[in-house]
Amino acid sequence: DAGVTQSPTHLIKTRGQQVTLRCSPKSGHDTVSWYQQALGQGPQFIFQYYEEEERQRGNFPDRFSGHQFPNYSSELNVNALLLGESALYICASCGGGGTGGNQPQHFGDGTRLSIL
Amino acid sequence: SQQGEEDPQALSIQEGENATMNCSYKTSINNLQWYRQNSGRGLVHLILIRSNEREKHSGRLRVTLDTSKKSSSLLITASRAADTASYFCASGSARQLTFGSGTQLTVLP
Repeated sequence: DAGVTQSPTHLIKTRGQQVTLRCSPKSGHDTVSWYQQALGQGPQFIFQYYEEEERQRGNFPDRFSGHQFPNYSSELNVNALLLGESALYICASCGGGGTGGNQPQHFGDGTRLSIL
Repeated sequence: SQQGEEDPQALSIQEGENATMNCSYKTSINNLQWYRQNSGRGLVHLILIRSNEREKHSGRLRVTLDTSKKSSSLLITASRAADTASYFCASGSARQLTFGSGTQLTVLP
């Protein structure tokens, strides 16, 4: 049973470029969340997707956008990259529409994004 | 911004010793979760404690929760070198988890 998978594992971009990161949730999960984790910090919530719509968003600018496909996989898009956005971008999934408040999330290993 | 803070930021112990990490949070919670992260990897869920629980055990892990003080602690007993990792507490709802800044635990063989 595959867990949460993310691609690519590493990526190098230059300031001002655009990037797309991909996530496949754990089998049976229908809700996907994205987090940004700067070095030495805890993950920061970006947004959550359910039923192909963004239903919760953290404190991130509109340059961060996402998409969820009918098979529950998801993409994170970031436009006009800034140097300070070098980080590990982690995807997490859960099932049941994420309505079970006591349901833990399952995390992928993330995409390490470096911005030069 | 982070919901809470872990204390200490870093902890170094010998194999076999116990490790205790503390977490403080700011808002009321339904539950509090602890996660572990090995270097460069994703987070692994360790344990969840509900707001109406005061203590919970899972193997060598013991978690306590004091909602009056908005704090939680994670105890790892009989530590092993393989326990070396960062440990995070997280609170929030099914729609959004807010993490603390983490404790880096190093267990020396």
